[in-house]
Amino acid sequence: EPEVTQTPSHQVTQMGQEVILRCVPISNHLYFYWYRQILGQKVEFLVSFYNNEISEKSEIFDDQFSVERPDGSNFTLKIRSTKLEDSAMYFCASSSLAGGPSIQYFGAGTRLSVL
Amino acid sequence: GEDVEQSLFLSVREGDSSVINCTYTDSSSTYLYWYKQEPGAGLQLLTYIFSNMDMKQDQRLTVLLNKKDKHLSLRIADTQTGDSAIYFCAERPWDSGAGSYQLTFGKGTKLSVIP
Repeated sequence: EPEVTQTPSHQVTQMGQEVILRCVPISNHLYFYWYRQILGQKVEFLVSFYNNEISEKSEIFDDQFSVERPDGSNFTLKIRSTKLEDSAMYFCASSSLAGGPSIQYFGAGTRLSVL
Repeated sequence: GEDVEQSLFLSVREGDSSVINCTYTDSSSTYLYWYKQEPGAGLQLLTYIFSNMDMKQDQRLTVLLNKKDKHLSLRIADTQTGDSAIYFCAERPWDSGAGSYQLTFGKGTKLSVIP
């Protein structure tokens, strides 16, 4: 069964460093998403991406965040200068449609630890 | 904005039924989803329901929706130890032309199944 894959599974970084979280969405999907979950809190939407541009973003997704689809398969989330409060589990998701039930399929997540 | 609330913990004996509850605040037509997260794994979609339905059944899973009270429940019949996981309720507004496809999640209910 096709699945969304994320790498690495765990990333440790120093405060102020840049990190890139990588995702390979399901191959025929067109819509891509990033969510995050701070420990003990809700899964929160960060951004959605379609046709090589951001279609929607939340208040969390400020200037230190960016997304890119550098080639036909990868979808990345970059955090330019990490802060302690960026420590969280980051989930990538993809869907074939945006409308209707629009099932979003999730990866296993990348746990980001900022020290 | 939308909000989704769930109780955090549920413990049941193997073979009993589990009922996981969720409330949401969106007043428009909406899709409601149940995701399951096992340790170290991503969010796996279990089922979904549109808000014009009252009930949906899929094998051991029954989803009940009380639209008036904005209350959603997931019943797992004959609960097994393999059902131990965190269960997330999520909602997404129906296509309103606003182009918002983000999911709003609850905090998740940790289901523990006692052998």
